[in-house]
Amino acid sequence: AQKITQTQPGMFVQEKEAVTLDCTYDTSDQSYGLFWYKQPSSGEMIFLIYQGSYDEQNATEGRYSLNFQKARKSANLVISASQLGDSAMYFCAMTGRGGKLIFGQGTELSVKP
Amino acid sequence: NAGVTQTPKFHILKTGQSMTLQCAQDMNHGYMSWYRQDPGMGLRLIYYSAAAGTTDKEVPNGYNVSRLNTEDFPLRLVSAAPSQTSVYLCASSPPPWGKITYEQYFGPGTRLTVT
Repeated sequence: AQKITQTQPGMFVQEKEAVTLDCTYDTSDQSYGLFWYKQPSSGEMIFLIYQGSYDEQNATEGRYSLNFQKARKSANLVISASQLGDSAMYFCAMTGRGGKLIFGQGTELSVKP
Repeated sequence: NAGVTQTPKFHILKTGQSMTLQCAQDMNHGYMSWYRQDPGMGLRLIYYSAAAGTTDKEVPNGYNVSRLNTEDFPLRLVSAAPSQTSVYLCASSPPPWGKITYEQYFGPGTRLTVT
């Protein structure tokens, strides 16, 4: 069975510092996709970044980068230069068979001024 | 484009009552999904549809869906129970293309309370 694990229920980071949110996954599929979503207190789900299992380079989108270590089955999100607006829940997810999306439990990030 | 729309935004239901949560998308996406979100549990997939006319159940009974066309994917609570109190999120995405999987677009959610 496919599974996503986020072991950090909550994280604090100082404004302008970098932070890493952990995500590990388990799958027997050779082809899969890994995603990170942000959910602010307003409740909307915002797509941040995607990494395909065959991509050799780590994905980057502005201040977001995904540290993909395939052998360790980890897909950590790195946010550089944290901003107050980064305070939110962050979810790691992966596509299962047939395109179904499996989510982790989430990490609540708080950015301190 | 309105994207993914959900109605209602909030609703209170009594145990045993039934209701339908509406979800529609105007992006011509083949894939549509329903999730429920509970504190500390992340998002759990309830139902999934890869195309109009097909659905795939992920959780035990209590929910029902139909996918009569590409745009709409309503979720029906057959006989509501307090355990179904949750935030329900609907999402859609294009099907995978080769090795590329596309992100899912989410609606704003329906907050449902069953008393």
